[in-house]
Amino acid sequence: QSALTQPASVSGSLGQSITISCTGTNNDVGGYNYVSWYQQHPGKTPKLMIYEVSNRPSGVSNRFSGSKSGNTASLTISGLQAEDEGDYYCCSYTSVSTIVIFGGGTKLTAL
Amino acid sequence: QVQLQESGPGLVKPSETLSLTCTVSGGSIRSDYWSWIRQPAGKGLEWIGRISSSENIYYNPSLKSRVTMSVDTSKNQFFLKLASLTAADTAVYYCARGPFSGTQYRLDPWGQGTLVTVSS
Repeated sequence: QSALTQPASVSGSLGQSITISCTGTNNDVGGYNYVSWYQQHPGKTPKLMIYEVSNRPSGVSNRFSGSKSGNTASLTISGLQAEDEGDYYCCSYTSVSTIVIFGGGTKLTAL
Repeated sequence: QVQLQESGPGLVKPSETLSLTCTVSGGSIRSDYWSWIRQPAGKGLEWIGRISSSENIYYNPSLKSRVTMSVDTSKNQFFLKLASLTAADTAVYYCARGPFSGTQYRLDPWGQGTLVTVSS
């Protein structure tokens, strides 16, 4: 099964808002509210930022928000900060093959 | 809070079997599901499989023929074995709680990861 589709890279100016998309199918993103997002800084462990489409774990800044429309989920970061730079991965439950599927990752650059 | 720590050999020879341990602290392994995920250098995340304390197991079909997961509730540990290793199995291996934690679908927290290199 192919990975969820994310843009390879996204960039934005400090203070700006950016959105990272994650496109799947009716068998994963579109069929279930089980999309999560992970932030990974170089050499570090992935960190949960959003779960079940739009829920933020305690301790995660409210500048991070998630949404979904059809087969595409989105992660929005408002008021972009330098510390937000890193790789972002979406993840979804899937009813086909493996029950967990990741996106290919998006490299976020803060200009 | 729950913390996870991977342990195992950093270097394994081709065709051999990798054995990794994930130790859970700050909580009981009897609750939730527990996963293994790997990440080759410079690449994305690949989910390997998950196990529960009752040994309800699900493997990624792409690795199923080579993977074995198990759990020891007395030690609060779960394990990964990956057989017939090749260089393509070289990666950082993570353990994590999830994908279901209670009723929530999430992988959190993660261990710090352990680098496994397959080389003769």
